[in-house]
Amino acid sequence: NAGVTQTPKFQVLKTGQSMTLQCAQDMNHEYMSWYRQDPGMGLRLIHYSVGAGITDQGEVPNGYNVSRSTTEDFPLRLLSAAPSQTSVYFCASSYLLPESTQYFGPGTRLTVL
Amino acid sequence: AQSVAQPEDQVNVAEGNPLTVKCTYSVSGNPYLFWYVQYPNRGLQFLLKYITGDNLVKGSYGFEAEFNKSQTSFHLKKPSALVSDSALYFCAVKDTGRRALTFGSGTRLQVQP
Repeated sequence: NAGVTQTPKFQVLKTGQSMTLQCAQDMNHEYMSWYRQDPGMGLRLIHYSVGAGITDQGEVPNGYNVSRSTTEDFPLRLLSAAPSQTSVYFCASSYLLPESTQYFGPGTRLTVL
Repeated sequence: AQSVAQPEDQVNVAEGNPLTVKCTYSVSGNPYLFWYVQYPNRGLQFLLKYITGDNLVKGSYGFEAEFNKSQTSFHLKKPSALVSDSALYFCAVKDTGRRALTFGSGTRLQVQP
């Protein structure tokens, strides 16, 4: 099993550009989520999904879109990048609701100039 | 609402000494509590969790945590610290009926040889 994979590992964008961060898991997990990690602020939840076709907003959803067309994939879209979105982004998955152990991907470091 | 606090940004301990990383939480119902660890340039890894039952929870790498309902705390402990324990530690909580975790801001543990 590859676990949770994220691409790309690093990305630099200019303000106003759009891009998609990819996340995939091969553990047949229903629950997937996206977090951003900023110094001194821990992890903040952006969006999550409890299964294919079902998504919901987390703590900091503005500027981000998600979709869940398959169990395996949960891409995160930045619609119009802003410097405030400079962060490290982590995708996570778990078997069921988040009281199950969450497995995290290696992260994507995004810089917006 | 659910929230979690990690009052120490950094904890320093000598190798071989016991360590404690503090966590307090606030929930409306019954809490699900977690500890995760992050090594440099890596995603988070699960250490242990409390769902119900015994207040003392044992986890990976010799770590344990004690659930204290009256003090709303879930401190992480280890009897004898190793240099390799140096990392960033996150406490997380989920309230009954909620569908997402809330993470603390993290505590950096430095174990000196």
